[in-house]
Amino acid sequence: EVQLVQSGAEVKKPGATVKISCKVSGYTFTDYYMHWVQQAPGKGLEWMGLVDPEDGETIYAEKFQGRVTITADTSTDTAYMELSSLRSEDTAVYYCATVLVPAAQMNWFDPWGQGTLVTVSS
Amino acid sequence: QSALTQPASVSGSPGQSITISCTGTSSDVGGYNYVSWYQQHPGKAPKLMIYEVSNRPSGVSNRFSGSKSGNTASLTISGLQAEDEADYYCSSYTSSSHVVFGGGTKLTVL
Repeated sequence: EVQLVQSGAEVKKPGATVKISCKVSGYTFTDYYMHWVQQAPGKGLEWMGLVDPEDGETIYAEKFQGRVTITADTSTDTAYMELSSLRSEDTAVYYCATVLVPAAQMNWFDPWGQGTLVTVSS
Repeated sequence: QSALTQPASVSGSPGQSITISCTGTSSDVGGYNYVSWYQQHPGKAPKLMIYEVSNRPSGVSNRFSGSKSGNTASLTISGLQAEDEADYYCSSYTSSSHVVFGGGTKLTVL
């Protein structure tokens, strides 16, 4: 069974850095990109970027460029999303998601992780 | 990259059909057949309902269908059921090798 299991909720102060993990099982981690998606409370989905676990190459959305770092640890089949210089607007649920079709790495997202709530508050 | 444009809300009675639109540009929706649709219930992760404009994943009801004309994609739900009440999001691949989502549509089943 394919699973994406994310780390637990975090509470951070403004200006801090958060690092969220997404551990996969049930498929070959290095074969498929891992994407990250942000959802602020009561708001829509926003694509943050992706990592190719095979070589570590990344693509980031302009909104998060410079503050986000997405990495992949192939020894533990875990992807990470690190967001720095946190502000209140970063309070959101963060999802990891992939697509298990080689030719469709950017075309849709399925499956998804369960989501991780990050709260930024002083 | 601006978000794709979706209506904020739509509603329908059980048994009726509704359509949710998703408007982009020739650099995203209009330029590629890589539009997907997601259903999200409160507190849950999004669920893929349609991929590549009109394809349904295994297990998704055939009451859900997708289409595209020019820069606008559409999700149609026929035979509305109470369980269809949720938020719906479209997404598209873009010419800058990114992904963009729509702002989301809240579906209310009256």
